[in-house]
Amino acid sequence: AQSVTQLDSHVSVSEGTPVLLRCNYSSSYSPSLFWYVQHPNKGLQLLLKYTSAATLVKGINGFEAEFKKSETSFHLTKPSAHMSDAAEYFCVVSSRNSGNTPLVFGKGTRLSVIA
Amino acid sequence: GAVVSQHPSRVICKSGTSVKIECRSLDFQATTMFWYRQFPKQSLMLMATSNEGSKATYEQGVEKDKFLINHASLTLSTLTVTSAHPEDSSFYICSARPTGGGTDTQYFGPGTRLTVL
Repeated sequence: AQSVTQLDSHVSVSEGTPVLLRCNYSSSYSPSLFWYVQHPNKGLQLLLKYTSAATLVKGINGFEAEFKKSETSFHLTKPSAHMSDAAEYFCVVSSRNSGNTPLVFGKGTRLSVIA
Repeated sequence: GAVVSQHPSRVICKSGTSVKIECRSLDFQATTMFWYRQFPKQSLMLMATSNEGSKATYEQGVEKDKFLINHASLTLSTLTVTSAHPEDSSFYICSARPTGGGTDTQYFGPGTRLTVL
């Protein structure tokens, strides 16, 4: 069984300050982990994904995430927030070893960026 | 590349009517497509997995007779909400997995907002 816990439902930061969105996962198999972003009334855009290569994954728009197996975490970070980063962020897990297993989504974290 | 479209983007219908939502992979073939439902300020919940040429696999609690899924070609899956009621109002999102792609690779459509009056 797989699950994802996003520890914060809402994060608010000032423009230009660092962003940290926390995610912990549980997976019976070697996981693939993803971060998706959703702007209001829009579909999902893939920010980055981890699939067993480098543990520090760089994504689009300056985001990156680090896979820490010992902590079962995959936190999303960005050094400097921009107003356009305000959106809903989803941490997602999938099992690479279990065939057609679909993606399992966390509940989401809403990021607000204050000018 | 890897674009998924949904049509319509927004639909309003009367209670009791049926609504069809299309999901198309525009520049790749997708043997498998997924349908998700998202309530306001909540996460995506998988409704069903649609496989080209075979019956869809529904998640527990999803009524297959109410949410009809057809995946007649490698680029098109449709979701029909039959006899829609106000509680079916939601944001419906599809995703498509490229044929031969990794099991965890999915590309998402922009979503369809359904409002049932």
